[in-house]
Amino acid sequence: EAQVTQNPRYLITVTGKKLTVTCSQNMNHEYMSWYRQDPGLGLRQIYYSMNVEVTDKGDVPEGYKVSRKEKRNFPLILESPSPNQTSLYFCASSVTGGGTEAFFGQGTRLTVV
Amino acid sequence: AQKITQTQPGMFVQEKEAVTLDCTYDTSDQSYGLFWYKQPSSGEMIFLIYQGSYDEQNATEGRYSLNFQKARKSANLVISASQLGDSAMYFCAMREGTPYNNNDMRFGAGTRLTVKP
Repeated sequence: EAQVTQNPRYLITVTGKKLTVTCSQNMNHEYMSWYRQDPGLGLRQIYYSMNVEVTDKGDVPEGYKVSRKEKRNFPLILESPSPNQTSLYFCASSVTGGGTEAFFGQGTRLTVV
Repeated sequence: AQKITQTQPGMFVQEKEAVTLDCTYDTSDQSYGLFWYKQPSSGEMIFLIYQGSYDEQNATEGRYSLNFQKARKSANLVISASQLGDSAMYFCAMREGTPYNNNDMRFGAGTRLTVKP
């Protein structure tokens, strides 16, 4: 089954404790991205990757890191989480970066206390 | 810069009736794609329908249709014969460019639809 898999689905952590949210897709998509969703703001892009070893900042990259060592995986790293990073996070992938549908993971609800 | 506007924070519709969710967009590109996603209370993002900027006919997928008015830059979602399971958040999104452009998918703030029995 074609899918984007994120883990974990839910996470509660404390300020400053490094965490990683994993994302994996099995569709051989070149383009992957991370979004955060906050009430009233829709989804905002954090980082994206056009292909392996190619990553770039989206609209709200501060406080986040990503890597793309393999085509299928695109982890999101929070080196020192803060309460303002409490949000619902989505990983998405698509065949390419323009004009094509994005497939979303199930979402990760992160709470930083 | 791209911009997506959904002016209806919340909408109510009676079961079995049709409802239109509004979306306007702003772009200077000639080539772009318009998308609608549904987000139920469980949180996942479900792709509903796609309209390409060069498509002459409005897209349809089952009970969903996209009323595309290019000159007005609007891409309204029409849901016919609403069902209780249609209660969810709906997001309009746009992606500019050809397949090999590096373009982000931009989202509106969403419309929460509630279907009343």
